[in-house]
Amino acid sequence: KAGVTQTPRYLIKTRGQQVTLSCSPISGHRSVSWYQQTPGQGLQFLFEYFSETQRNKGNFPGRFSGRQFSNSRSEMNVSTLELGDSALYLCASSLTGGPGEQFFGPGTRLTVL
Amino acid sequence: DAKTTQPPSMDCAEGRAANLPCNHSTISGNEYVYWYRQIHSQGPQYIIHGLKNNETNEMASLIITEDRKSSTLILPHATLRDTAVYYCIVRVVDFGNEKLTFGTGTRLTIIP
Repeated sequence: KAGVTQTPRYLIKTRGQQVTLSCSPISGHRSVSWYQQTPGQGLQFLFEYFSETQRNKGNFPGRFSGRQFSNSRSEMNVSTLELGDSALYLCASSLTGGPGEQFFGPGTRLTVL
Repeated sequence: DAKTTQPPSMDCAEGRAANLPCNHSTISGNEYVYWYRQIHSQGPQYIIHGLKNNETNEMASLIITEDRKSSTLILPHATLRDTAVYYCIVRVVDFGNEKLTFGTGTRLTIIP
């Protein structure tokens, strides 16, 4: 079956702009989590959505937001971009509700100039 | 979630078994041990998980000590494609908790 897909794969923005990233989970998966990976902070949890509701949230400012649609596809938005937002943004999907694995997408590489 | 400690880097000869240790001395009874790996700039890949019994799948074996305070991931016959950063993660498995807390991991280099 198809894996987790993320679009776009690469993105260049300038400070102050906003950006929207998209994630399509594996068919049947209802949970989508987002992570930010930077060389300095490593992999950090942003938030998780399940059935169109945000269920968990990491320690990121309100500029980072997300949503999930009825087909489980998810988007995350970053407003008023800062240089420090340059990172690899990863999403992961899972069936949820048990000790199963999470499947990660290839990520979106965001560069803020 | 309990904190984990891993060595920052390890080398292993191609064809030999790679043994990656992880310390999780504050683990709780309802926390599972997960292993993921990340090959350069790709998304992390699930390897294996366990609660208290040893586990084996087609990729690796997971050995958890009886007191559950540490574990070892074993790649039985390492290949060059196993060069990656390996993350040991402890997670409470609960409906509503999908959060994975990644540490700094172990950078494993397979030497030809």
